[in-house]
Amino acid sequence: GAVVSQHPSWVICKSGTSVKIECRSLDFQATTMFWYRQFPKQSLMLMATSNEGSKATYEQGVEKDKFLINHASLTLSTLTVTSAHPEDSSFYICSARDRGGWSYEQYFGPGTRLTVT
Amino acid sequence: AQTVTQSQPEMSVQEAETVTLSCTYDTSENNYYLFWYKQPPSRQMILVIRQEAYKQQNATENRFSVNFQKAAKSFSLKISDSQLGDTAMYFCAFMKPYNNNDMRFGAGTRLTVKP
Repeated sequence: GAVVSQHPSWVICKSGTSVKIECRSLDFQATTMFWYRQFPKQSLMLMATSNEGSKATYEQGVEKDKFLINHASLTLSTLTVTSAHPEDSSFYICSARDRGGWSYEQYFGPGTRLTVT
Repeated sequence: AQTVTQSQPEMSVQEAETVTLSCTYDTSENNYYLFWYKQPPSRQMILVIRQEAYKQQNATENRFSVNFQKAAKSFSLKISDSQLGDTAMYFCAFMKPYNNNDMRFGAGTRLTVKP
């Protein structure tokens, strides 16, 4: 149990276009989902926290207009990178907290590799 | 703000030997949670072990155990009987039990288990 999926696993887009990444909790309801960014050989950096039905909370330095997060249901959160540029190329990971499980457990998705050309 | 420090960027160990990865953190909180995550080449984050700060007993999970020193703000991971499959990046993480429970990660330690 406690599986989180991400789609797509890998995406290439042209500079200036937008790309949407989906994060789904497959067998549990997630009240809170988190979005992380990971550069090569670096750690995970928290970008934003999203709660179902409310606006996401962004970390300092993360452009909310560039990284749009929507948490429309208890099983789905989306991250849209708008007007992508090569510097947005990175590995994006989501995690989800199980509303019914141990309160503080986070389950991680497999990540999405974004390449902007 | 909470910071997590992993001072060993890379480590290696011979198969079947024991290795200890270091982690220190800085917080003014009394209640919190600490984690070790493994990230293999697939980049899927895998929970290795977790520790609640209010518990004095060190957590253990099979070959993995921690040495939690609350006063020193230290949380090291010991891997016994290292296996080739333990080769991965290891991240130490800190989480407060409130305010959305967001998690802060250390820079990571790349562990290589040599045959």
